[in-house]
Amino acid sequence: GQQVMQIPQYQHVQEGEDFTTYCNSSTTLSNIQWYKQRPGGHPVFLIQLVKSGEVKKQKRLTFQFGEAKKNSSLHITATQTTDVGTYFCAVNNNDMRFGAGTRLTVKP
Amino acid sequence: DGGITQSPKYLFRKEGQNVTLSCEQNLNHDAMYWYRQDPGQGLRLIYYSQIVNDFQKGDIAEGYSVSREKKESFPLTVTSAQKNPTAFYLCASSIPGQGRVGVGGTEAFFGQGTRLTVV
Repeated sequence: GQQVMQIPQYQHVQEGEDFTTYCNSSTTLSNIQWYKQRPGGHPVFLIQLVKSGEVKKQKRLTFQFGEAKKNSSLHITATQTTDVGTYFCAVNNNDMRFGAGTRLTVKP
Repeated sequence: DGGITQSPKYLFRKEGQNVTLSCEQNLNHDAMYWYRQDPGQGLRLIYYSQIVNDFQKGDIAEGYSVSREKKESFPLTVTSAQKNPTAFYLCASSIPGQGRVGVGGTEAFFGQGTRLTVV
C-alpha cells in the first residue's frame, strides 16, 4: 500500500494562532483523506482530495493537494479550543494507511 | 441508521487467553479494516479485507487472526501469541480502492473502538 509521512508530530498553539500539518509521499497518490480524532474518540472523516492542485475549504480549515499529488496540507486559521485533537492524513487505495498524525493542543 | 458497531467497548484478557473483538457494519461496504492504536500513537494496520472470504495482512498481523464470512462482519481475534495486546482497537469500513493510481476508495467510517487490557 501507499505510505504517507506526516509532520509535525505535535503542535501546541495559543488560541487564535494558525496551525498546519503536512503529509508527504514518495509516490503519486490516488487520493488523500483527512481525519480528526478527538481525545478518547475515534477518527472522523473531514475531507477527501482527488485532483492535482485541489484546494478545499471548510470554514476555518483549508485542505490542499499538491500539483504532483505527492503531498497535502491541512491549515487551520485562528485555532479554537474545539480544534484540539489529532489530525491524520490517509490514503485509501488497495488498503488504507494513515500518517502518524499531528496532535494539536490549544492554550486558551 | 447506517453505521459500524464494535463490541465490547472495554475488554479484559488474562495472560494466555484468546479474545475476539466484534465489528459489524450495515453500510454495504466491501472493505473493512482493523487498526491498533497505542497511547499517543497513530493507527497501525493489522488486517484488511476488500471482499467477503478474502483478507490481507497489514503491517502488524503477527498474533492476530481475522475472518470475513459475511460482508457485514469482520471479527478480530487477539491470540495468546500477541505478547503486548493492551491497546485501543479500531475497526473501519469503506468502499475500497482499485489498487492503482487514480482509482482510490471512499471515506472510512470507524466504530467506537474496543479498549483491550491484559490483566
